Amino acid sequence: KQEVTQIPAALSVPEGENLVLNCSFTDSAIYNLQWFRQDPGKGLTSLLLIQSSQREQTSGRLNASLDKSSGRSTLYIAASQPGDSATYLCAVRSSGSARQLTFGSGTQLTVLP
Amino acid sequence: DARVTQTPRHKVTEMGQEVTMRCQPILGHNTVFWYRQTMMQGLELLAYFRNRAPLDDSGMPKDRFSAEMPDATLATLKIQPSEPRDSAVYFCASGLATGNEQYFGPGTRLTVT
Repeated sequence: KQEVTQIPAALSVPEGENLVLNCSFTDSAIYNLQWFRQDPGKGLTSLLLIQSSQREQTSGRLNASLDKSSGRSTLYIAASQPGDSATYLCAVRSSGSARQLTFGSGTQLTVLP
Repeated sequence: DARVTQTPRHKVTEMGQEVTMRCQPILGHNTVFWYRQTMMQGLELLAYFRNRAPLDDSGMPKDRFSAEMPDATLATLKIQPSEPRDSAVYFCASGLATGNEQYFGPGTRLTVT
């Protein structure tokens, strides 16, 4: 059974700082990995998706990497802003017919102005 | 701007009552997922449909939960009878079976008293 872990559970940084969020998964037989953002009381917004054959994806100030063999992914946020404050969720889509998403518990990020 | 819609957004009900949550997937998407989010368990998959057929509902308590897709534009999740432990946010997501991403709705916040 796939298990996804995110560290740290919470992170507080001053505005402008670069930061890294970590995600690890136990079963490397994945189809892809997706990073989401969730604002309080809101739904999930997809940020980046990395296919199992890819090493990284970039979108603006966000860069996500994937090391499938070690079961790790990182989300790098450059020049953080208060508007980046949210919970960031990592989700792994398993190989096979179901292809369901298994979520980590999230990292709650606060960027202080 | 295509998006997944869910109704109602909020529901407060008494223990023992029937609850029906509805989801309209993005037009053309042929996979639908139901997730439940709680503070304790995080995001958990309840059920997964492809082309309106249930492929995986192993995450759903069968005695009280049921999920259906009466047609391609409507997915329903029903709880009967509801219990306080069912209080959570229920998310619907849709996607393409051949695609990669899942697109999430805003969720239904259910409170059972």
